Amino acid sequence: RKEVEQDPGPFNVPEGATVAFNCTYSNSASQSFFWYRQDCRKEPKLLMSVYSSGNEDGRFTAQLNRASQYISLLIRDSKLSDSATYLCVVRSAGFQKLVFGTGTRLLVSP
Amino acid sequence: EAGVTQFPSHSVIEKGQTVTLRCDPISGHDNLYWYRRVMGKEIKFLLHFVKESKQDESGMPNNRFLAERTGGTYSTLKVQPAELEDSGVYFCASSQDQGSAYEQYFGPGTRLTVT
Repeated sequence: RKEVEQDPGPFNVPEGATVAFNCTYSNSASQSFFWYRQDCRKEPKLLMSVYSSGNEDGRFTAQLNRASQYISLLIRDSKLSDSATYLCVVRSAGFQKLVFGTGTRLLVSP
Repeated sequence: EAGVTQFPSHSVIEKGQTVTLRCDPISGHDNLYWYRRVMGKEIKFLLHFVKESKQDESGMPNNRFLAERTGGTYSTLKVQPAELEDSGVYFCASSQDQGSAYEQYFGPGTRLTVT
């Protein structure tokens, strides 16, 4: 079983739509949580960290449910430029290595 | 400020040959990480340097892989001899310090193809 599970998609949505991605992690010792964005043939880039209380950055909202070991990302008012692969990433206490999910591909169409 | 750089961007080698990948972290970043993504799989951690010391090499797949960071600046990852399953994208990342408050910045990757 993968340590971080994501639906690979693709999610095809029209501009302006709201889309949500989910992710589950298996290691209960996971301490830090992130969403990264990766454009085609590019490097991953940090989109946002995910905090226990939930957090928002513009059109992006991230939620964490430690009891269910579940992380979500909500994108409102999708833009064409949001088309990318969204990677769910966790880090365990005492370790610096990042553990990645396989990513969820988002395609936003006009 | 320059980001993480990697060289080469692409490498095509035959099975059994040797390849050396280079990573230059962001200036002043003591922490350097290697990751790789093989086709169809998730990005996986290989190892972590703090300055010139290997802090965690739990992700190194086997002894055909050798990572070095002499002087605590740039790092090299040598694969010798290369096997077909080593094909993938090798990413390097660096961070100023340890902990979740310090973002790991990724380089553009080296795409390795072993034929």
